[in-house]
Amino acid sequence: DADVTQTPRNRITKTGKRIMLECSQTKGHDRMYWYRQDPGLGLRLIYYSFDVKDINKGEISDGYSVSRQAQAKFSLSLESAIPNQTALYFCATSDPGIGDEQFFGPGTRLTVL
Amino acid sequence: RKEVEQDPGPFNVPEGATVAFNCTYSNSASQSFFWYRQDCRKEPKLLMSVYSSGNEDGRFTAQLNRASQYISLLIRDSKLSDSATYLCVVILNTGNQFYFGTGTSLTVIP
Repeated sequence: DADVTQTPRNRITKTGKRIMLECSQTKGHDRMYWYRQDPGLGLRLIYYSFDVKDINKGEISDGYSVSRQAQAKFSLSLESAIPNQTALYFCATSDPGIGDEQFFGPGTRLTVL
Repeated sequence: RKEVEQDPGPFNVPEGATVAFNCTYSNSASQSFFWYRQDCRKEPKLLMSVYSSGNEDGRFTAQLNRASQYISLLIRDSKLSDSATYLCVVILNTGNQFYFGTGTSLTVIP
């Protein structure tokens, strides 16, 4: 089984809809991250969390919110989706005790019409 | 100015060729450096860390030049399976600011 899972893997939605992307991990890592990837722009950090009570904005947090429900779960919400939020979204985890390597989930491809 | 800049390529090389990618970073306080590999429509995966002294893993060599603020990745004896996008990653000294390059596309041709 994958260590970092994301649901859904693909989603098509309409402008104005609320969307939640979920991430779960079995690696036991405290640190979790949400990124989006766009052609020509690379991976950009949206939010990150170092433990259940810790939420931090990343480079591009506007239009997004997150919830860290447990050590193993980190959800990303788009309260009112817009077309320029169409992208590939990745969740990642890391453990500072073993360096800064990030372990990514398989990604969620989101299309906002 | 972007924190990290990479030549997007694409690089199309024949099997057996040697190919090198560079990545420049803007913040001299950057502390950690990595190369990740990303296959089409897949998640990025760590290829190797980059150390000040340079490091080698089989056909792959990574180097860091702090004075000029760039990191490099050299692939020798390219294989078809090396075809992928290679991302450089720079971490600032706070340990919680990860900056990814846009990636360099490599296609190894038979």
